[in-house]
Amino acid sequence: DIVMTQSPDSLPVSLGERATINCKSSQSVLDSSSNNNYLTWFQQKPGQPPKLLIYWASTRESGVPDRFSGSGSGTDFTLTISSLQPEDVAVYYCQQFYNAPYTFGQGTKLEIK
Amino acid sequence: EVKLVESGGGLVQPGGSLRLSCAASGFSLSGYSMNWVRQAPGKGLEWVSYMSSNGNTIYYADSVKGRFTISRDMAKNSLYVQMNSLRAEDTAVYYCTRDGTNDYWGQGTLVTVSS
Repeated sequence: DIVMTQSPDSLPVSLGERATINCKSSQSVLDSSSNNNYLTWFQQKPGQPPKLLIYWASTRESGVPDRFSGSGSGTDFTLTISSLQPEDVAVYYCQQFYNAPYTFGQGTKLEIK
Repeated sequence: EVKLVESGGGLVQPGGSLRLSCAASGFSLSGYSMNWVRQAPGKGLEWVSYMSSNGNTIYYADSVKGRFTISRDMAKNSLYVQMNSLRAEDTAVYYCTRDGTNDYWGQGTLVTVSS
């Protein structure tokens, strides 16, 4: 099974500052034939289902603010929020859908410093 | 508008069974793979099961293999998961999601396994 490890577990960031969340997979999730990384990022606010932010590691879902960006390839990935807004307080998860079981990271709780 | 609505959750005793449903609208199940994902109270997300768009490929997490069965009814455009031999550790909110990217999620249905 592919193990997804996020860091940090908790991230305090000041409003307007940059937030960076890392996700590392135990095996590559890059499909060489398509050159796609089978890696997604989700945001979950309390009492709500998760919301897709980024797929293929770097493609922003429609309607997601452009302050959210994803990067990385192979086994190392990053979600960046360029300028933290109050509504960005949430738990963020990465997930690989390259090989079943389609494992999630443990989550990173983003809070206001 | 794409919509997923889960139902069928509730309180069940250990060893019992439950069938969850996910009614899909705004798209056809025949065009998309689907997943079940769960979240235990206060915990992270756990992928549970996958069915391909043609229904021919099915996967399960090891934690539910042999106890859960995913299925669908194309006439009702609905996805199901039959859960047998339920354990306390199966207590969670269960979500159905669309596609490998999980681009749409339902609101979830709570399953509580307790005596």
